[in-house]
Amino acid sequence: GQNIDQPTEMTATEGAIVQINCTYQTSGFNGLFWYQQHAGEAPTFLSYNVLDGLEEKGRFSSFLSRSKGYSYLLLKELQMKDSASYLCAVLDSNYQLIWGAGTKLIIKP
Amino acid sequence: GAVVSQHPSRVICKSGTSVKIECRSLDFQATTMFWYRQFPKQSLMLMATSNEGSKATYEQGVEKDKFLINHASLTLSTLTVTSAHPEDSSFYICSARDGLAGDSVAQYFGPGTRLTVL
Repeated sequence: GQNIDQPTEMTATEGAIVQINCTYQTSGFNGLFWYQQHAGEAPTFLSYNVLDGLEEKGRFSSFLSRSKGYSYLLLKELQMKDSASYLCAVLDSNYQLIWGAGTKLIIKP
Repeated sequence: GAVVSQHPSRVICKSGTSVKIECRSLDFQATTMFWYRQFPKQSLMLMATSNEGSKATYEQGVEKDKFLINHASLTLSTLTVTSAHPEDSSFYICSARDGLAGDSVAQYFGPGTRLTVL
């Protein structure tokens, strides 16, 4: 079966750095997405990785290792507004998005 | 960036009535639109994939006669929840894929519709 694993919840301090991991087992791979979802709102697109390596976009970076079935989202200089759920999703061989359950990130002052 | 709108943002209805939710891509042509449902503290659940001009593809366990999807144009898809019941209360979210963009795999989400059935 297809499976996306990410931690349920993480806590970090304002100004610090946090890394949210995601491992996947899917039928085929056409890329991995990270989305941010604030409570009661729809997800917003953060990043897309299809090749191995690190993609940096401002305070957020996303890393992919296809051989390990592994990705992480790195958030730097954490701000209170970064408190949200972070969803990892993999595009499988049928170009269908397989979603993880999301990681709830709590930022403390 | 790609913008997707959804209307209404919130609806409360009586049990047995039908509710229509609209999803529009505002600045791009969406050859494919997706409808999701999300219950509190749970992940997104794909309900159906909608391709412009053809019948929607429903996920297993989703009743196509209850959740009617119409993707009549490249910028509009509608989801109608027929004879809604309290268990249909949920957060319904649409997303769209820009069929003409070079990077056409990303999905852009509408703001969601919170449906409450009394």
